[in-house]
Amino acid sequence: GAVVSQHPSRVICKSGTSVKIECRSLDFQATTMFWYRQFPKQSLMLMATSNEGSKATYEQGVEKDKFLINHASLTLSTLTVTSAHPEDSSFYICSARVEGPAAEAFFGQGTRLTVV
Amino acid sequence: AQSVTQLGSHVSVSEGALVLLRCNYSSSVPPYLFWYVQYPNQGLQLLLKYTTGATLVKGINGFEAEFKKSETSFHLTKPSAHMSDAAEYFCAVSGFTGGFKTIFGAGTRLFVKA
Repeated sequence: GAVVSQHPSRVICKSGTSVKIECRSLDFQATTMFWYRQFPKQSLMLMATSNEGSKATYEQGVEKDKFLINHASLTLSTLTVTSAHPEDSSFYICSARVEGPAAEAFFGQGTRLTVV
Repeated sequence: AQSVTQLGSHVSVSEGALVLLRCNYSSSVPPYLFWYVQYPNQGLQLLLKYTTGATLVKGINGFEAEFKKSETSFHLTKPSAHMSDAAEYFCAVSGFTGGFKTIFGAGTRLFVKA
């Protein structure tokens, strides 16, 4: 299947700093990528839909100024957590869809963010 | 809007026993349905998917699921559980509405007893 690479896998940052997470589709082009957040022992909550060349679409309740998404190319989307606080600590997972109405999304391995 | 309900946050079975994880969905359009497995601190791995056609779908590791439109269900089964099946399982729905974003159920933790 298609491969989605997410980097870094783990990051620890100080409160108040910003952290960038990259999501790359390695062997296919993805016009649409999705960003999810997963709290411990909970499900994946969709944060936003990232569209290549246009602004991301955020789900209700997600602060777009705090979670900046950039989808500059067909193979790369980035999520920047700005002015991170301990409550932003979580597991962040991206996914990318292969084009086609019935194609599933392929998921990155996730990024464990810890804000201290 | 689309949604998924997984019945049972925890399921425990003995090794060699039948695995049954329940999933019901809600969708105003023909759904695409998925089962994913997640091991601790890892991403998601697709077990199987239903898009169109045959309603009984076979996936990896001996898992299968049956799409029942009349019951709006997509339950996951495996005839004989292995210790390595212990993980978190997510049922998910996608579709034409909402730009094919994938919506997940709350997840079911499968425990396998020796």
